[in-house]
Amino acid sequence: NAGVMQNPRHLVRRRGQEARLRCSPMKGHSHVYWYRQLPEEGLKFMVYLQKENIIDESGMPKERFSAEFPKEGPSILRIQQVVRGDSAAYFCASSLGGSYNEQFFGPGTRLTVL
Amino acid sequence: AQSVAQPEDQVNVAEGNPLTVKCTYSVSGNPYLFWYVQYPNRGLQFLLKYITGDNLVKGSYGFEAEFNKSQTSFHLKKPSALVSDSALYFCAVRDGAGANNLFFGTGTRLTVIP
Repeated sequence: NAGVMQNPRHLVRRRGQEARLRCSPMKGHSHVYWYRQLPEEGLKFMVYLQKENIIDESGMPKERFSAEFPKEGPSILRIQQVVRGDSAAYFCASSLGGSYNEQFFGPGTRLTVL
Repeated sequence: AQSVAQPEDQVNVAEGNPLTVKCTYSVSGNPYLFWYVQYPNRGLQFLLKYITGDNLVKGSYGFEAEFNKSQTSFHLKKPSALVSDSALYFCAVRDGAGANNLFFGTGTRLTVIP
């Protein structure tokens, strides 16, 4: 029973390049969440998606960041024209939905912007 | 607005002794409370949750937590600490009034000393 999968685990980009982070939720989960973790800090919510819909993107920066969860395939977090401040660990979580169900987290993608 | 406070950045405890990791919260509706553990370079692992019912919640690896509504606390406990419990612990809250995301504390690093 595979858990939440994220790839790549490590991603290095130069300033101005694009970063694409992928997340495959647990089998049977149709709710996906993206969080960002800066060193020595807790996780900060970015966006919540269900299949083909963005439900809540209140934590997403207004520019350069976008997310999708297509009908087929993984969820994608896309960061355009990366800057050094984007360096962080990005975690994806999935759940069955509902406020009371726990979220299951992937291993994260560590983005380093040179 | 939701908030979570973990007042201790670091907790040290001797192996075999009881451990407590503190958490207090603030939400406008009913709180849904969660504890997660993070090992180095890994994603978060779910430990336990409180939704409703008994105030004492038992979870994975011998951990438990007590929900105290009057003190708005949800402290994590274990009767006898193991060296392998050394990790970063995060408390999280979700507002049962319909919030989509988890709001995380800044984390407490637990070190169990052999």
